[in-house]
This record gives sequence, C-alpha cells and structure tokens, in this order.
Amino acid sequence: EAGVAQSPRYKIIEKRQSVAFWCNPISGHATLYWYQQILGQGPKLLIQFQNNGVVDDSQLPKDRFSAERLKGVDSTLKIQPAKLEDSAVYLCASSLRGDEYNEQFFGPGTRLTVL
Amino acid sequence: AQSVTQLGSHVSVSEGALVLLRCNYSSSVPPYLFWYVQYPNQGLQLLLKYTTGATLVKGINGFEAEFKKSETSFHLTKPSAHMSDAAEYFCAVRGGGFKTIFGAGTRLFVKA
Repeated sequence: EAGVAQSPRYKIIEKRQSVAFWCNPISGHATLYWYQQILGQGPKLLIQFQNNGVVDDSQLPKDRFSAERLKGVDSTLKIQPAKLEDSAVYLCASSLRGDEYNEQFFGPGTRLTVL
Repeated sequence: AQSVTQLGSHVSVSEGALVLLRCNYSSSVPPYLFWYVQYPNQGLQLLLKYTTGATLVKGINGFEAEFKKSETSFHLTKPSAHMSDAAEYFCAVRGGGFKTIFGAGTRLFVKA
C-alpha cells in the first residue's frame, strides 16, 4: 500500500513570510497527526485529527499556525507569519484509528528553513 | 502526565557488538511504550511496541526491548550491530489519552 505522502520535501523562506505544507495519509486511515521535529529533539505533536475533527491542538501556536483536514482525507498545515524558531522538520503521520493500539505511519517530512 | 528520557544522545558501537539504547519513562497510568527508528531524510518507522502482556518485546531487524515497571525502563537491545543499524532511535510513551510523547532521540553510530 502507498505510504504517507508529504510535499514539499524542502522549503526555504524568510521570516514573516507564509508557508503551507500538504499531507496525504494512507487510504482509509481516520486519524492524522502533524508533528514538529526541531533539530536534536524528538517529534512534538502539533495537532491530531480524527476524520475531519480536531482531537488535540493544545500545542499548536494558534496565533501563527493553522491546520485543516477537509473531507477527512488530505490535510494542510500553514504558518503565517513564520519565525526563525519555526525552522524544523514537519512530519505528518496517520493511523487507522486514534487509540493507543494503532501504529502511526510517518511520512518523510518537510524540512523548513526560516532565514 | 507522561515523559521520556533517553540516556545518551549519541552511542557508538563496533559492528558485531551489542547495541544498548536506554530509555526511562514517567507515566501516571499504565503506559504503552514504543521504539521508532529514523533513517536520514525519512520519517519514523515503528521498531516495536509494548502494550500489555509479555514484558520482553521482539521487533523488526533483530531488535528487542524489555519493559521493567520497577525501573520505569524500556531499553532497546540488539545482540549484534550491523552497519545498516546506523540511524536515530526514538523512545516514546503513550498513556491516559491519545498523545504520544517522544524522547529526544539517540543517534547510533556503527564502526566497521
């Protein structure tokens, strides 16, 4: 089966610009996650969707970050305006369901550099 | 609340030697524990997981981990390292909800 797809793979922008990332989860997976992985750290959950509803966005900086999952399939994560500290790899993952028994499958990530 | 501590940001072993990557966790409820591997420019891949039952868990690529509740540990081992094992390894905990908390990672180097 096809894995989690993400685009773009790399993005370089200047601070205060906006940027958007796209994720296509594994077909049939109800749960979708966006993680931020700063260099030298483990992934940190930004937002979790169950179908097209938000389950957890407690660590999403809502003043600049937004995410949507229209029709419960693809998702986009947007940053506007970007700051230097947003430089990181943004990982998308999906699972069949959102409970602890379900394995999360990760995409290759988008590496964002903010200058 | 849950937390994960991985001891050692870098571990170096010789090819054929034992691999031991240490992970300690904190959880207010019975935890579910995971080890993931990340190769350069790739996403994370699940190596193994502990949910309930047998405390010694076997995973892919010859890795295994043992859940020790008394020590709040979930160390990852492999009897004989291969060059292809060089990667970053993340321990993670999930409990009392749906959020998975990851450790900071341990980069494994394998010397020929």
